[in-house]
Amino acid sequence: DTGVSQDPRHKITKRGQNVTFRCDPISEHNRLYWYRQTLGQGPEFLTYFQNEAQLEKSRLLSDRFSAERPKGSFSTLEIQRTEQGDSAMYLCASSPYIGDNSPLHFGNGTRLTVT
Amino acid sequence: DAKTTQPTSMDCAEGRAANLPCNHSTISGNEYVYWYRQIHSQGPQYIIHGLKNNETNEMASLIITEDRKSSTLILPHATLRDTAVYYCIVRGLNMDTGRRALTFGSGTRLQVQP
Repeated sequence: DTGVSQDPRHKITKRGQNVTFRCDPISEHNRLYWYRQTLGQGPEFLTYFQNEAQLEKSRLLSDRFSAERPKGSFSTLEIQRTEQGDSAMYLCASSPYIGDNSPLHFGNGTRLTVT
Repeated sequence: DAKTTQPTSMDCAEGRAANLPCNHSTISGNEYVYWYRQIHSQGPQYIIHGLKNNETNEMASLIITEDRKSSTLILPHATLRDTAVYYCIVRGLNMDTGRRALTFGSGTRLQVQP
């Protein structure tokens, strides 16, 4: 169990640029989640995949955001035309499908700074 | 999701037990209580979860009251490395998607003092 891996750990970009983050979940975890966390707040849910199917998207996920999990393994989160308000920690989590209450295991996130 | 209420911050002496309370008076019968913690610049770390029975693992103990309206996370011998924000979460069911959501609040900032 190598844990949930996220890349990069830090990203600094200029407003208007596109950025893409990658998440590698724990092997054989078929559920994958993206969260966003701003300073001083708890993580907020963005979207959820079961295998390759994106089953739920939060209203926080604007049209500039897109997430994919093409083969049901790793996932990418892309933000187009970044804005300063997108500056946050983007967290990925995974869980196995053993039942609805399997705990989520989080990665250490990608910290995005938009200048 | 059932709302949880936690103190904003707590202090604990190193080596002593840290008891972190959580109120969840609107919890429904099939909702689990989860505890996570987050150390600065890291992702949330799963600690423990339970439904109605008390639970213990290598990290902590979870005590849930009989009416399930509150719970306490116990770190038996706190160390400086336990300084973190602790989140108590009641995991509810999204009736539209069938997904059991994990909705974080603001948590309790635990400071372990030397």
